[in-house]
Amino acid sequence: KQEVTQIPAALSVPEGENLVLNCSFTDSAIYNLQWFRQDPGKGLTSLLLIQSSQREQTSGRLNASLDKSSGRSTLYIAASQPGDSATYLCAADSNYQLIWGAGTKLIIKP
Amino acid sequence: DTGVSQDPRHKITKRGQNVTFRCDPISEHNRLYWYRQTLGQGPEFLTYFQNEAQLEKSRLLSDRFSAERPKGSFSTLEIQRTEQGDSAMYLCASSLQLAGGSSSYNEQFFGPGTRLTVL
Repeated sequence: KQEVTQIPAALSVPEGENLVLNCSFTDSAIYNLQWFRQDPGKGLTSLLLIQSSQREQTSGRLNASLDKSSGRSTLYIAASQPGDSATYLCAADSNYQLIWGAGTKLIIKP
Repeated sequence: DTGVSQDPRHKITKRGQNVTFRCDPISEHNRLYWYRQTLGQGPEFLTYFQNEAQLEKSRLLSDRFSAERPKGSFSTLEIQRTEQGDSAMYLCASSLQLAGGSSSYNEQFFGPGTRLTVL
């Protein structure tokens, strides 16, 4: 049974810092891994999807990596801004469903 | 707006009442998913459709829950005899699964969710 864990559960950093969010999964037989952003009380915004054959994906200040052999993915945020404050969730795709971590709540202090 | 839409956005009901939620996926997407999210947790898979066929249901989906996608377009999720434990955010997502292809690029796009409060 796939289990997804995100560390840390919460993170508070000053504006401008680079930071890394971690995601680990127990079953390496995944089709892809998605990172999402969720603002309080809102739905989910897809940030990046890494296919199982890929190692990383980049979008603007965001870079996500995937290491299936170790069961890990990281989301790197460069030059953080207060608008980046949100909860970030990773989800492993096992064909028909996403298995989710509980998220990392990120606060960027001005 | 070409994204996934859900209606209503908020629903408050009394215990024992029935509620129905609607999801309109991105028009060309053939897969539609329902998830449930409680406060402070990641979403949990409930069920999914490929066109009008319901292909998988989670054990979380008790007999009180039923989902339909009659014409392979919009979907409804009905909860009968609601309980306080049903209070959650109900999320709908859609994706395009290409025929004969693997699921390696099955990016799911989410709607804003329906927040259910059962009093």
